This record gives sequence, structure tokens and C-alpha cells, in this order.
Amino acid sequence: AQKVTQAQTEISVVEKEDVTLDCVYETRDTTYYLFWYKQPPSGELVFLIRRNSFDEQNEISGRYSWNFQKSTSSFNFTITASQVVDSAVYFCALNYGGATNKLIFGTGTLLAVQP
Amino acid sequence: DTGVSQDPRHKITKRGQNVTFRCDPISEHNRLYWYRQTLGQGPEFLTYFQNEAQLEKSRLLSDRFSAERPKGSFSTLEIQRTEQGDSAMYLCASSSRQSSTDTQYFGPGTRLTVL
Repeated sequence: AQKVTQAQTEISVVEKEDVTLDCVYETRDTTYYLFWYKQPPSGELVFLIRRNSFDEQNEISGRYSWNFQKSTSSFNFTITASQVVDSAVYFCALNYGGATNKLIFGTGTLLAVQP
Repeated sequence: DTGVSQDPRHKITKRGQNVTFRCDPISEHNRLYWYRQTLGQGPEFLTYFQNEAQLEKSRLLSDRFSAERPKGSFSTLEIQRTEQGDSAMYLCASSSRQSSTDTQYFGPGTRLTVL
């Protein structure tokens, strides 16, 4: 079965703190893709990153970084020096390919950054 | 702006009424998806089109739900005889099979409230 678990329901930090959002996935496929999306209060899902199962290199984009570890089936997301504008719900998602390319989402982590 | 658009953004209806939502994908994206998101949950896959062909429907899509994508452009999602349990955010996404990443980009969603 394919599954994504985001154990952290809510996280509250003070501006400028670093924060890590956890994502654990389950799949039996050897080829799959992992995603992070941001959903601000406006409701629109904003794409952040896509990672395929053959690329375990960590990635950094500005204040955002992602740590992909196949050994622990985790794809964690770190925000460095958080800002109030980072406040949103963050979703991790899995795509195991197949005919439809559908995404399987976790339940999301609500990040609240206090000024 | 060439992003995914959805109309209406909000819909309030009475139980038993029919509603129809529209999604306009990013131009030249041949894949289109519908998801449903309830409060506190991640989006759940409903159905998928490649061009005008509906290739997969989730078991979540009861016989009261129907989706179309005539001519492989915009798509409509109709719910007949709405029930209070249909209250949710309905999200549309599109992607390009020709793209090396085939990343799904989401629209702003249609929030349905059934009274």
C-alpha cells in the first residue's frame, strides 16, 4: 500500500527559528516521486519541490532545504530562519507512477510562525 | 496569468441540489486531475483525464459525481443531489505528460458548502 505520514499536526515557532517538517512514506515501488506543497490561508496548493527515488542528493533553495533518505523512507523539509510569511499548511505527497500519476498526500503540518 | 483556474471559488447550495464546477488547466497540459480536500485532511484523488479520456476514477467518486473534459481542454465536475457530506474543497490540477517532471500544478479550488 502507498501511504504518507506527517506525524506533526501543528508546529509553532518564533520568527528566525529553524524548523523541520517530517515526512515518512511507504511504497513497494522502486520508482517513485516525492513532493512538498505549501497551502497558505488562501487555499491554493503551491508546488515547492519534486524528488525522484533515484536521486538522494539533498537540495537547498534559499531558506528551504530537503533531506531525502531512502533507508528510513523519509523526505524531511527544513526552513531556516523562518518568517511570518512561511505560516501555512505543508503537505508531503507521493507519486508512485502507474497509469494515472495521482498524488497521495499526507495529512499536512500546520506551521505557525509568530513574530 | 497562465495558471490553473477554477470557477466558482465558493458555492453554497441546499441539500439535494445539483452543482457544477469548472476547471481550466494550464494551456497545453494534457493531464487533468480532480481532488477533494476536507477540513484538516490532505487532498484525495477523485479522477484523472489524459486529453479527453477519463482514465481513472476513485471509489470516492460515487454515481452522483460525473466529470467531463470535452475536447481535452477545460473540465467540469458535477455533483447531483448534493449531500452535506459533499461539503469540501474541490481542487483541480494539471500536468504535462511531455514534461520531464510531470509535476501537478493546482488551481485555487472551489469550496462547496451544502446546507
